[in-house]
Amino acid sequence: AQTVTQSQPEMSVQEAETVTLSCTYDTSESDYYLFWYKQPPSRQMILVIRQEAYKQQNATENRFSVNFQKAAKSFSLKISDSQLGDAAMYFCAYRETSGSRLTFGEGTQLTVNP
Amino acid sequence: GAVVSQHPSRVICKSGTSVKIECRSLDFQATTMFWYRQFPKQSLMLMATSNEGSKATYEQGVEKDKFLINHASLTLSTLTVTSAHPEDSSFYICSARVGGLNTEAFFGQGTRLTVV
Repeated sequence: AQTVTQSQPEMSVQEAETVTLSCTYDTSESDYYLFWYKQPPSRQMILVIRQEAYKQQNATENRFSVNFQKAAKSFSLKISDSQLGDAAMYFCAYRETSGSRLTFGEGTQLTVNP
Repeated sequence: GAVVSQHPSRVICKSGTSVKIECRSLDFQATTMFWYRQFPKQSLMLMATSNEGSKATYEQGVEKDKFLINHASLTLSTLTVTSAHPEDSSFYICSARVGGLNTEAFFGQGTRLTVV
């Protein structure tokens, strides 16, 4: 079974600084999708970024980028120029290409200090 | 992006009663909907997957007679917590997908259930 691990329960960053959230996963599949979701205090899940495993190029969405290391089964999220609105719980998630269910990591609570 | 509306956002019910939570896809037809449960400061745990017009597929350990899921139309899925107990108090979140294997899942805003 696929598992997703986020080893950092909590992280903090100064406003305007850069922070990296870690995620590792375990799968025997060669093709799959990886996601980072943000859950702010409102509890609404928001998709931050997505990566297809067959793509070698790391995904980027404005201030958010990932470092996808397929061989190491690592998928970290880098947030540049952190803003107060980035404070949230961040979840890493995995989905098989042929499947529909998401498997979530335990989450990392990010605090942004002014 | 697509909008998924979940209702109610909060509900308090008495122990032993049943409560229904609705999940609607407002601007797309959702062939598949998912129901998650989330405890405070924890991750989302998938409870069940429902496909329109067919029975839901429940995850191991989830009581299907307690958590009734109905996906009668392409825009509506409901979760009914039957004979609720305080331990059922939690945050319940639904998500919906349009269909096809590489489409995104969109999430509702969640329902906080408190059983007293």
